[in-house]
Amino acid sequence: DAGVIQSPRHEVTEMGQEVTLRCKPISGHDYLFWYRQTMMRGLELLIYFNNNVPIDDSGMPEDRFSAKMPNASFSTLKIQPSEPRDSAVYFCASTTGEMGTSYEQYFGPGTRLTVT
Amino acid sequence: ELKVEQNPLFLSMQEGKNYTIYCNYSTTSDRLYWYRQDPGKSLESLFVLLSNGAVKQEGRLMASLDTKARLSTLHITAAVHDLSATYFCAFRREGGSEKLVFGKGMKLTVNP
Repeated sequence: DAGVIQSPRHEVTEMGQEVTLRCKPISGHDYLFWYRQTMMRGLELLIYFNNNVPIDDSGMPEDRFSAKMPNASFSTLKIQPSEPRDSAVYFCASTTGEMGTSYEQYFGPGTRLTVT
Repeated sequence: ELKVEQNPLFLSMQEGKNYTIYCNYSTTSDRLYWYRQDPGKSLESLFVLLSNGAVKQEGRLMASLDTKARLSTLHITAAVHDLSATYFCAFRREGGSEKLVFGKGMKLTVNP
């Protein structure tokens, strides 16, 4: 398997622009997680989905952030409008809830977002 | 409040030495994870600990779990430079959602 795939790997945008980050989970995984990592705040869970349904979005910073999972193999995280404080590395991770598994999360390579 | 405390947060050690890293978590948990992150890279799963007294070893790293004390340790034996990285522990609250709570990470530097 190719692992979790994220695109783009790097994104530089100006304040006020819309940013869309993309994630393809590992095939067969039914959980998908979006995290944000910064030096100041560490690794934070933003939202997670189970079977394409958002389960916990309590970590989404504000209304400027939205996430969707239209099918089992694709999810997006959108920031509109973007602000400099959104600059961070955004990771997507996936796992399976099958019986006997440990729910080990597999992380994608991340998208490094810089908002100027 | 769900939180994880890792101790220490920074560690510089010499090759060949041993050391133990501590991870305390705030509430009962049924799953404890250790991850490794190299600079500019993603997180790589090292260990998953599911029960009290669980011990897992991979190479020079050994992780253990004491659910009564809400403590996990990561022991490094005869450190080598390749172990230099940031190590995160994370836990899931027992009976809770699949949300993992991560510690701030411990940056390890192993000097020749």
